[in-house]
Amino acid sequence: DAGVTQSPTHLIKTRGQQVTLRCSPKSGHDTVSWYQQALGQGPQFIFQYYEEEERQRGNFPDRFSGHQFPNYSSELNVNALLLGDSALYLCASSSGQGTLNTEAFFGQGTRLTVV
Amino acid sequence: GEDVEQSLFLSVREGDSSVINCTYTDSSSTYLYWYKQEPGAGLQLLTYIFSNMDMKQDQRLTVLLNKKDKHLSLRIADTQTGDSAIYFCAEKIPGNTGKLIFGQGTTLQVKP
Repeated sequence: DAGVTQSPTHLIKTRGQQVTLRCSPKSGHDTVSWYQQALGQGPQFIFQYYEEEERQRGNFPDRFSGHQFPNYSSELNVNALLLGDSALYLCASSSGQGTLNTEAFFGQGTRLTVV
Repeated sequence: GEDVEQSLFLSVREGDSSVINCTYTDSSSTYLYWYKQEPGAGLQLLTYIFSNMDMKQDQRLTVLLNKKDKHLSLRIADTQTGDSAIYFCAEKIPGNTGKLIFGQGTTLQVKP
C-alpha cells in the first residue's frame, strides 16, 4: 500500500502564475481533503472532494479550486499566485462520509514557494 | 466557534514522560486526533479518541480527555530522541465532511 502520494514534492513559481498540485489517495479511500500549512502554523482546511464534487470549503478565495477524478485522485489549482500562497500543501485521504469518515491519512505534502 | 489551542514548546530528557496539552471549543460529539510531523514531512496519524471516552492507551501513548474542560492531553512514556517532532492536536468538526481543525502544534525537544 503506497499510502497517500503527492506530486511534486517541491515547486517554485512566480507571482501571478498558476499551479496544479496532485494527490493520489490511499488504496480503498474515496475522499480527498486539501490543507494549507504556512510556516510555523497548523494546517488550514481548504476544501474536500467526495464523489467528484466539492463537499465543503474553508475560508479560501476562489483562486483556489480543485477537481476529483473517477479514480479518486485529486488536483488542487491555485491561480494568480501571491507571495502569501507560499506554504506546504497537504492532501489527506479518508473513506466514506459522516461517522464513517474517522481516520484521515496525510501525504508528505508539496512545498510551494512563490517568488 | 472552531478553535484548538496548544502550548508551543516542550523540552524533556530522554527516558522521561512527555505530556502535550490541547484545548478545543466544539461541544458536539466528535473525534479528537494527535498527529506527529517531523521536519520536512507530512503528518503522521498517531492516535485518536471519540469524545465519549475518557482515555485511550496505545503502546507508549496515552490520550486523556476531560470533556467538561474540553482539555485533551497526549502522554508519551519513555520519550526517545526519535520522538522529537511537532505534535498537532486536531478536532473533527461534526457533519458530513469531517473537516479537521488543527492547533498550532507543540514542538517537542528530547535531550539525550
